[in-house]
Amino acid sequence: NAGVMQNPRHLVRRRGQEARLRCSPMKGHSHVYWYRQLPEEGLKFMVYLQKENIIDESGMPKERFSAEFPKEGPSILRIQQVVRGDSAAYFCASSPRTGTNTEAFFGQGTRLTVV
Amino acid sequence: DAKTTQPPSMDCAEGRAANLPCNHSTISGNEYVYWYRQIHSQGPQYIIHGLKNNETNEMASLIITEDRKSSTLILPHATLRDTAVYYCIANNNNDMRFGAGTRLTVKP
Repeated sequence: NAGVMQNPRHLVRRRGQEARLRCSPMKGHSHVYWYRQLPEEGLKFMVYLQKENIIDESGMPKERFSAEFPKEGPSILRIQQVVRGDSAAYFCASSPRTGTNTEAFFGQGTRLTVV
Repeated sequence: DAKTTQPPSMDCAEGRAANLPCNHSTISGNEYVYWYRQIHSQGPQYIIHGLKNNETNEMASLIITEDRKSSTLILPHATLRDTAVYYCIANNNNDMRFGAGTRLTVKP
């Protein structure tokens, strides 16, 4: 059973371009969580999605950022018109269900560099 | 998530037990205590979780006080590869909020 797969592992974008980060959850997992980690800082929750639904997006910046988790295919975190401050590691996690007594498993992250 | 408090850093000698404390005095009855760690800049790794009973797995043991206001993660025989930032989270719905954690350095 493969773990949580994120791609690309490294992504370089020029200012103003779009960045698309993909996350394939573990088999059987229908809940996905995205986190951002700025250099030398902690993990910040961004958004929690279930298949075709956004459950909690309280950590998402109000502009330029969006996330989806379609019925088929990976979850996508999309950043439009990237700026230097978007340079960070983006991690996703998945779990089979929500609620108590359920651990989440993380991918190895996508390192986004905006030049 | 209930607020958790952890020391910012700790050292441990290789081969000795590492005991990492966490305070979660406002934890609610249905919140579990989760521990994750992040080695260098890798993705966080799940370690263990529990509600009120002590738990043990192949990685660590989790001791939760009877009043559930604090817990201790125990790595029984720390190795250099256990050097990481360790996060304690009190949570009941999995969209976990990470604090600053404890930076554990295992020294030879």
